Order: sequence, then C-alpha cells, then structure tokens
Amino acid sequence: QVQLVQSGAEVKKPGASVKVSCKASGYTFSSYALHWVRQAPGQSLEYMGWIAGGNGDTKSSQKFQGRVTMTRDTSAGTVYMELSSLRSEDTAVYYCTRGVGGGNLDNWGQGTLVTVSS
Amino acid sequence: QTVVTQEPSFSVSPGGTVTLTCGLSSGSVSTNFYPSWYQQTPGQPPRALIYNTNTRSFGVPARFSGSILGDKAALTITGAQADDECDYYCMLSVGGGLWEFGGGAKLTVL
Repeated sequence: QVQLVQSGAEVKKPGASVKVSCKASGYTFSSYALHWVRQAPGQSLEYMGWIAGGNGDTKSSQKFQGRVTMTRDTSAGTVYMELSSLRSEDTAVYYCTRGVGGGNLDNWGQGTLVTVSS
Repeated sequence: QTVVTQEPSFSVSPGGTVTLTCGLSSGSVSTNFYPSWYQQTPGQPPRALIYNTNTRSFGVPARFSGSILGDKAALTITGAQADDECDYYCMLSVGGGLWEFGGGAKLTVL
C-alpha cells in the first residue's frame, strides 16, 4: 500500500533553515508529484508547492518563493522540503501528500511539527 | 491574489443533510478550478473526499457528494453521522499547477 513517512519533529531558531524529508513507498515514485501543505496550530491548511517525482520539476506558491527548496532522491524514493529564514509564523505541522491528478491528494504523510522559537 | 472562501461553521442534525460551499473572493468557481474537498479530524492528516468537482476518492461513502451550485463549489453530506463532525477544507486550482485551500469549515452534528 502507498505510504509516505516523514522525518521527525524539529525545533529551530529564527533565521535558521529546516529540511523535512518524506519517504514514499508502495507505488512507482516517478509517476506522481508530491506536494507540501502546512498547518499552523489551530489554523487552516496552507498549500506550499510540489515536486514532480519523475523529472524533479518544482513549483511553489508565491508566498514561499525564494524561501522554499524542494528536492528529490529517486534512488531513495524520498523528497525533501527545505524552508529557510525561519520565523515564528513558520511554526506548523508540515505534510507531504501525493497528487494523482484532478486535485486529488490521495495519500498523506503523518506530518512533521516544526517549531520556531528563540 | 486569489482567496478561497468558506463559511467557517455549519451544523446538522444526525441523519440530516448539509451543504458546505467554497467560493472565490472575486469571480465564480467552475469545474475549471477542479474543486476538491478534504476532511480532517483533530491530530490527523487530511483525508481526500472529493476531487475534480464530483469524483469520490477511494473508499468514500456515497453520502458525500460534490457539485457546482451557482458560483461556488459545494460538498453535500446526506444522512449525517456523528463521526462526520470535524473540519472540512476545499481546495481549488489557481493556475500554474498550483492550488489554494479555503479557510476551512467546522461541522457540528447535534
């Protein structure tokens, strides 16, 4: 079955960077894009961007452009999301999720809590 | 900038029918926005319910349905159950391969 397993919780200081990993299994990695969505405590979902599993193309929402870097390691079936210049407002649970087309984000990782605090 | 709008709360009686809507701050939602709906219980990742306006995701019961109503996307729950009480998010395509979530709607079943 499809599984997305994310790395563990992180605590970072303002101005630092964080890199979250998402290991995919149970399907052909190159066939689908993986998307990143975050959720601040008590807040709504916020869409960040995606990376294609095949050719590694990426696209990020305007809000995160210049601060987010998405990469992949096809041999490991893993994608990474790095967010730089962290501020307290970046404290959130970060999810990776598989996109299978038509707006269908059909499988989700368990989430990674990133806490930004001095 | 596109803002996806949702009414923040709804309530329904057990066994009743409720319709949640998803609009745009400017303009109308159509099938071209590929509206999708996600259900989220506290402490859990979201779960896909509906995509491409009206296609149910795998394993989603038929009492969840999606449509376009007027200028908004809609999620209708027929025969509401107690465990439907949670948060619901819509998501729209905003162009350039990117997506945007609405602010979410909290459903109370009472």
